[in-house]
Amino acid sequence: DAGVIQSPRHEVTEMGQEVTLRCKPISGHDYLFWYRQTMMRGLELLIYFNNNVPIDDSGMPEDRFSAKMPNASFSTLKIQPSEPRDSAVYFCASSLESRLAGTYNEQFFGPGTRLTVL
Amino acid sequence: DAKTTQPTSMDCAEGRAANLPCNHSTISGNEYVYWYRQIHSQGPQYIIHGLKNNETNEMASLIITEDRKSSTLILPHATLRDTAVYYCIVRARNTGTASKLTFGTGTRLQVTL
Repeated sequence: DAGVIQSPRHEVTEMGQEVTLRCKPISGHDYLFWYRQTMMRGLELLIYFNNNVPIDDSGMPEDRFSAKMPNASFSTLKIQPSEPRDSAVYFCASSLESRLAGTYNEQFFGPGTRLTVL
Repeated sequence: DAKTTQPTSMDCAEGRAANLPCNHSTISGNEYVYWYRQIHSQGPQYIIHGLKNNETNEMASLIITEDRKSSTLILPHATLRDTAVYYCIVRARNTGTASKLTFGTGTRLQVTL
């Protein structure tokens, strides 16, 4: 498996523009997570999905942020309008929570998208 | 979730064992200890987890004290590629549901020649 795939790897945009980050989870995984990492705040969970349904979005900073998972193999995180304080590395992760497989809390992270908002 | 305490940074000579401690004195009976690491410019990587018994896999060993209030991650023969931030996370293991992992500040391990 190719692992979690994120695109783009780098994004530079101007304040006020819409930004869309994309994620393809590992095939067969039933959970998908979006994290944000900054020097000041560390690694923060923004939102996570189970079987394409958003479960907890309490980490989403404000209404400018939205996330969707239209199917099991694709998710987007959108920021509209973007602001300089949104500059960060955004990670997507996926996991299979399976009693049968004995796997819990073992999240596989993508390489991240480094977002710079000027 | 139980709070964890880790040293901010540690150094280790290449080829030697790296022992990374973690305190979790308020851990409850159903909580597991998880270790992740993050190599510079990469996403975090799962290493190992345990409940009360010592665990070993191809990456590392995890030693949990009998009272479960602390643990140590052991990299038996550290290499330069093990230079990373190591996160100790305590979390309940919920059957069939995911848990929100809270990443603290971790321990920055520097492996040197």
